[in-house]
Amino acid sequence: AQSVTQLGSHVSVSEGALVLLRCNYSSSVPPYLFWYVQYPNQGLQLLLKYTTGATLVKGINGFEAEFKKSETSFHLTKPSAHMSDAAEYFCAVSLSGGSNYKLTFGKGTLLTVNP
Amino acid sequence: EADIYQTPRYLVIGTGKKITLECSQTMGHDKMYWYQQDPGMELHLIHYSYGVNSTEKGDLSSESTVSRIRTEHFPLTLESARPSHTSQYLCAVGGGGDIQYFGAGTRLSVL
Repeated sequence: AQSVTQLGSHVSVSEGALVLLRCNYSSSVPPYLFWYVQYPNQGLQLLLKYTTGATLVKGINGFEAEFKKSETSFHLTKPSAHMSDAAEYFCAVSLSGGSNYKLTFGKGTLLTVNP
Repeated sequence: EADIYQTPRYLVIGTGKKITLECSQTMGHDKMYWYQQDPGMELHLIHYSYGVNSTEKGDLSSESTVSRIRTEHFPLTLESARPSHTSQYLCAVGGGGDIQYFGAGTRLSVL
């Protein structure tokens, strides 16, 4: 069975500081991995995804994530936080190859950006 | 522009009422999903569909039902709403590579 663990339900950073949101997964097969962002009273928006190939993936709004198989991790980073980055972030995993079309989500991390 | 439409966005209703939450998509994809999300919590899959006349229950047991008569339409129905049904309901459409695209959600409050 696949699962996702997001370390830290709440992360607070200062504007301009590094953002690091942690995600670890478990999967019996090579996973597809995703990061989504949710702003208040909205649905989820895809930030970036890893399927195969390059392990460092770049997404929208200056975010990137690195797939580390040995650590079963897919941490999300952004070099310099902006006030507009304040939101809830969800990591998700899916079995690869399209054989399972369902995503398993982590519990989410609320990012607060202080001026 | 939105390709996934959820209506209503907000709904306050009394106990015992029948409600239908609408989800429509213009993306032409076969796979659609309903999630339930309580404030500050993770998403729980309650229903999914891989195409017309195909519906399955998700990982979280739900008293709601769904139908898929047309590719673009995936409504969710509660026959008798209860306060325990108060939550946010998110509809999603599955694209290639297991990506899912989400609607803006319906926030339901049952009094």
